[in-house]
Amino acid sequence: QKEVEQNSGPLSVPEGAIASLNCTYSDRGSQSFFWYRQYSGKSPELIMSIYSNGDKEDGRFTAQLNKASQYVSLLIRDSQPSDSATYLCASERAAGNKLTFGGGTRVLVKP
Amino acid sequence: NAGVTQTPKFQVLKTGQSMTLQCAQDMNHNSMYWYRQDPGMGLRLIYYSASEGTTDKGEVPNGYNVSRLNKREFSLRLESAAPSQTSVYFCASRTGPLAKNIQYFGAGTRLSVL
Repeated sequence: QKEVEQNSGPLSVPEGAIASLNCTYSDRGSQSFFWYRQYSGKSPELIMSIYSNGDKEDGRFTAQLNKASQYVSLLIRDSQPSDSATYLCASERAAGNKLTFGGGTRVLVKP
Repeated sequence: NAGVTQTPKFQVLKTGQSMTLQCAQDMNHNSMYWYRQDPGMGLRLIYYSASEGTTDKGEVPNGYNVSRLNKREFSLRLESAAPSQTSVYFCASRTGPLAKNIQYFGAGTRLSVL
């Protein structure tokens, strides 16, 4: 079992709809969680980070963390074709200084 | 401000050849990382350097060596390339272990081993 698991997709979403991405992790020592977006042929870029249980909103993105159930999710509201990319979930232990990545979920937003 | 710079961008090797992937960052970051990315596998950590003068193995270190030349530069060496090392390699850097510190990635090196 991988430490960080994601559905590989593709997740097909109509333009304007909400895309919902899920991520589960197995290491209960994980304290910090990150969502990276990666366009095809490009490098990953950070879009959200979350450290406490609950929701964190940033523009059209909302990250949700539930440490008891060991899952992290990312919601993309009003999805745009430019949101079509692979989204990578990553976790980090407290003071660990290294991230563990999931395999990524490919999202396709159709006009 | 270039951020994290990797060279080369593309490389084709024959089995058994050696090569060094170069990485440099101009953000005065303490920590640097080398990842490989294969289809469906996400990013897997090869080696990392928490600070100048230190290096540690990651998830998939076999077949690789690294050198933290100075605070700016962190190189990855393949001594005897194998087809299983065909992958996209990313270098990254980060200020330090605090969670709020963002990890920045280079543009990647696409390596094919024939």
